[in-house]
Amino acid sequence: QVHLVESGGGVVQPGGSLRLSCEASEFTFSTYGMHWVRQAPGAGLEWVAFIHYETSIKYHAESVKGRFTISRDNSKKTLYLQMNSLRAEDTAVYYCTKEKVTDGEYDKAFDIWGQGTAVTVSS
Amino acid sequence: QSALTQPPSASGSPGQSVTISCTGTSSDIGTYKYVSWYQQHPAKAPKLLIYEVSKRPSGVPDRFSGSKSGNTASLTVSGLQAEDEADYYCCSYAGGNIHYVFGTGTKVTVL
Repeated sequence: QVHLVESGGGVVQPGGSLRLSCEASEFTFSTYGMHWVRQAPGAGLEWVAFIHYETSIKYHAESVKGRFTISRDNSKKTLYLQMNSLRAEDTAVYYCTKEKVTDGEYDKAFDIWGQGTAVTVSS
Repeated sequence: QSALTQPPSASGSPGQSVTISCTGTSSDIGTYKYVSWYQQHPAKAPKLLIYEVSKRPSGVPDRFSGSKSGNTASLTVSGLQAEDEADYYCCSYAGGNIHYVFGTGTKVTVL
């Protein structure tokens, strides 16, 4: 069964850094685009970042641009999110999620989700 | 870019239908066919229900259907069941620097 497992969340002070990881299994990780989506406590979902399967194409939401960086290591089947200059408003559960692809075309939807990892930014 | 607008809540009795609207703009829903819907139970990860406005991934019951008109997309849940009680989010591709925008979420209650 296709599986995504996030790790690396925790409590960090404002201005601090964290690196989230997401390990994939049971699918050809290296051939799929991947995303990070977050959900603040009691709030809705917010798209954070996307990385193409070839790693050269990356997009970040305006709210995290310049502070967060998405990356991946296809040899380790792992997706990352480096988060720097963290703010209280970055407090959320962070989900990694796989881009849905049909016949080689991106469907621009998220079909597999991890269980999420919680990040709390607080002094 | 503001979130897409959804009603905060919707409800129906078992067996009935409920429709959730998702209102965006000409920059997102009005332009792109890439509208998706997600179901989220408490403390669980979201689950994809609908993609490209009206397509269902394998394993999603045909009780769930989607449509779009202009800048507004809709999700209809027919034959409501107790397990349909959850939060539902729409999402649209928006291109440019925005890329993806989610809806505000709708809590569906099965009476």
